[in-house]
Amino acid sequence: KAGVTQTPRYLIKTRGQQVTLSCSPISGHRSVSWYQQTPGQGLQFLFEYFSETQRNKGNFPGRFSGRQFSNSRSEMNVSTLELGDSALYLCASSLEQGAWNGYTFGSGTRLTVV
Amino acid sequence: AQRVTQPEKLLSVFKGAPVELKCNYSYSGSPELFWYVQYSRQRLQLLLRHISRESIKGFTADLNKGETSFHLKKPFAQEEDSAMYYCALRVIQGAQKLVFGQGTRLTINP
Repeated sequence: KAGVTQTPRYLIKTRGQQVTLSCSPISGHRSVSWYQQTPGQGLQFLFEYFSETQRNKGNFPGRFSGRQFSNSRSEMNVSTLELGDSALYLCASSLEQGAWNGYTFGSGTRLTVV
Repeated sequence: AQRVTQPEKLLSVFKGAPVELKCNYSYSGSPELFWYVQYSRQRLQLLLRHISRESIKGFTADLNKGETSFHLKKPFAQEEDSAMYYCALRVIQGAQKLVFGQGTRLTINP
């Protein structure tokens, strides 16, 4: 079956702009989480969605937001981009039923802010 | 507070030598730990879960609650093991998230 799909793969934006990243989870997975990966901070949790509801949010400013649609696809938005937002943004999905098998990650969207 | 510590940023061993990647955690709840691996130009993928007590690609990891550790071991390293390895702790506080260590870059020398 298809894995977690993230689009676009690469983005270059200018400071002050906004950006929207998209994630399609594995079919049947209703939980979607987002992580930011940078060389300095490593992998940092952004937020988790389940059944269109944000269940958990990491320690990021309000410029970072997201949503989940009825088909479990998710988007995250970053407004007023700063240079420090340059990172690899990873989406992960998981099953909720039964024993938790961990996340399946997408390939990520590499965002460069110039 | 929940925290995962991987003390070695870089680890280099020779092919055929044993490998141990260290992971320590801090968590007040019942720990659920994972090892993820990221090969060059590939996505982050699950390697091991402590609950399953399985061996994947020759790697094993045992949860030691007394020492709050979950070290990853392999008796004989292979060149294809070269990758970035992340230890992660599942935190459940209403919702869930994974807390990752900073990662260890493992290089296997021929």
